[in-house]
Amino acid sequence: EVQLVESGGDLIQPGGSLRLSCAASGFTVSSNYMSWVRQAPGRGLEWVSVIYSGGSTYYADSVKGRFTISRDNSKNTLYLQMNSLRAEDSAVYYCARVFLLGYYDSWGQGTLVTVSS
Amino acid sequence: EVVMTQSPATLSVSPGERATLSCRASQSVSSNLAWYQQKPGQAPRLLIYGASTRATGIPARFSGSGSGTEFTLTISSLQSEDFAVYYCQQYNNWPPWTFGQGTKVEIK
Repeated sequence: EVQLVESGGDLIQPGGSLRLSCAASGFTVSSNYMSWVRQAPGRGLEWVSVIYSGGSTYYADSVKGRFTISRDNSKNTLYLQMNSLRAEDSAVYYCARVFLLGYYDSWGQGTLVTVSS
Repeated sequence: EVVMTQSPATLSVSPGERATLSCRASQSVSSNLAWYQQKPGQAPRLLIYGASTRATGIPARFSGSGSGTEFTLTISSLQSEDFAVYYCQQYNNWPPWTFGQGTKVEIK
């Protein structure tokens, strides 16, 4: 069974840093495209970042230069390093598997990041 | 970037009735369109991919249609568990993957 479990969300001050983790089971992270998608309170879904199976990474303009996606193949875990956090980064962050290069067939339960002083 | 626009923002439907949700793309996305259902406090769940193919375990009352720029999600007879927010997402031109703003299906 495919399972994704996020962790690492917290209350953090503006300008701070946080690292989110997404532990996967039932499949191999490094063989798939993996994404982070976020949802601000009461708002819709916003794609944040992707890491391809080959290792290439891409980011939404809103987080480029501040966020870094990575993975640890030995731990079968996906990460999102978030630096220079802003209030507008406050959201539930989901990790999701990108299936057949396009749609998200599996999602984690999400982890809440709140950026506030 | 492909902009996805969903309508209406809110749809009030009685249980047992039919619900029709629309999604429009700012440029053609072929049939590379997915629909997701999200209930309060839960992660999104994949319903439809390829514009019309139901994901594993999705009931037959959910159907998708369309191609190019106009898409429809139809729920043939609404059950109590279907009241939720529905999002469309294009995966024809990426990155970025883009979502519509959502349609909330509420009880009339």
